[in-house]
Amino acid sequence: EPEVTQTPSHQVTQMGQEVILRCVPISNHLYFYWYRQILGQKVEFLVSFYNNEISEKSEIFDDQFSVERPDGSNFTLKIRSTKLEDSAMYFCASRGRRANYGYTFGSGTRLTVV
Amino acid sequence: TQLLEQSPQFLSIQEGENLTVYCNSSSVFSSLQWYRQEPGEGPVLLVTVVTGGEVKKLKRLTFQFGDARKDSSLHITAAQPGDTGLYLCAGKGALTGGGNKLTFGTGTQLKVEL
Repeated sequence: EPEVTQTPSHQVTQMGQEVILRCVPISNHLYFYWYRQILGQKVEFLVSFYNNEISEKSEIFDDQFSVERPDGSNFTLKIRSTKLEDSAMYFCASRGRRANYGYTFGSGTRLTVV
Repeated sequence: TQLLEQSPQFLSIQEGENLTVYCNSSSVFSSLQWYRQEPGEGPVLLVTVVTGGEVKKLKRLTFQFGDARKDSSLHITAAQPGDTGLYLCAGKGALTGGGNKLTFGTGTQLKVEL
């Protein structure tokens, strides 16, 4: 079964450093998302991406965050200057064309900011 | 802000028992999805319900979408230890401007003991 692949599985970074989280969505999917889950809290929407541009973003997704789909297969989330409160599991998800298709989530990247 | 409240938050039952998990909101959603999440993994889609009043069955799991598309339930018959996990409901396309992002519920942690 097709999978969404995320790398790395775990990243530790110092406060103020830039991090790039990488995702390879399912190849024929058109809609791409980033969500995050702070330990013990619910899954929160960050950003959606369609047709090479951001279609929607949450209040969490401020100027420190950016997304790219540089080569037609990878989908990246960059955090420019990490803060302690950015520590969380970050999940990439993708879905197909039909509006009611389910989302396929990756296994996540655990980001720890120290 | 759309909120999805799940109840109960925690549920510990014996193998063979039946259980129901509820997902409630004041917002109307175009569709609602149920996911199961294992520790350290991303959510895995179980089902999508679209039509008000819709009932879907997946082996021992029965999912229902409320007539007004504001609430949903998940019923498990004869629970087994393999059903243990975190169950998440997620609404999509809230008519109050939620777009295409998923709004996740607060989660129900189920433990089924022998």
